[in-house]
Amino acid sequence: NAGVTQTPKFRVLKTGQSMTLLCAQDMNHEYMYWYRQDPGMGLRLIHYSVGEGTTAKGEVPDGYNVSRLKKQNFLLGLESAAPSQTSVYFCASSDGTGREKLFFGSGTQLSVL
Amino acid sequence: DAKTTQPTSMDCAEGRAANLPCNHSTISGNEYVYWYRQIHSQGPQYIIHGLKNNETNEMASLIITEDRKSSTLILPHATLRDTAVYYCIVRDSLSGGSNYKLTFGKGTLLTVNP
Repeated sequence: NAGVTQTPKFRVLKTGQSMTLLCAQDMNHEYMYWYRQDPGMGLRLIHYSVGEGTTAKGEVPDGYNVSRLKKQNFLLGLESAAPSQTSVYFCASSDGTGREKLFFGSGTQLSVL
Repeated sequence: DAKTTQPTSMDCAEGRAANLPCNHSTISGNEYVYWYRQIHSQGPQYIIHGLKNNETNEMASLIITEDRKSSTLILPHATLRDTAVYYCIVRDSLSGGSNYKLTFGKGTLLTVNP
């Protein structure tokens, strides 16, 4: 049981490049989330999904897109990376019962030059 | 969701109890108190949550005051591996939609010293 797995763990992009971060969970959770964390800050929600085929905006959605084509996967896309998107990205999932725990992945360190 | 206030940092000696306070004076009746922690460079980890009664699990104890305006997370015998940022979060678990997300503030950096 791997829990929540994020790939890649590290990535360096040039301004304007695109990339996709993959999050996979094997706990059959309904809800999935993408957060970003900047130095000295708490986590800020980018996008989330309450089920397969659904997505919704969080606090800081601009510059990102997401897709949830399969229940176990939640993809975060950057179409044209900017230096302001340099951050650590965390994916999380939960079972959606209302008092659920969030399970987090180990994070992706992204640097945009 | 109610706002929480936590000290920026705390120190604790290894083997002693670590008591981390959280103020949530605007908490409403159906809001739960959650605690997570984040060890350096890792994803946050769930610790415990509660509504009114004190709670205990294998990781920690949660003490909620009778008026529910504050709580304390207790790590009974802190180890060096407990050095982390601890987040206290209050949220309504009964409403749907976007309230299923948790809002993480800056938390308390607990440093356990040898």
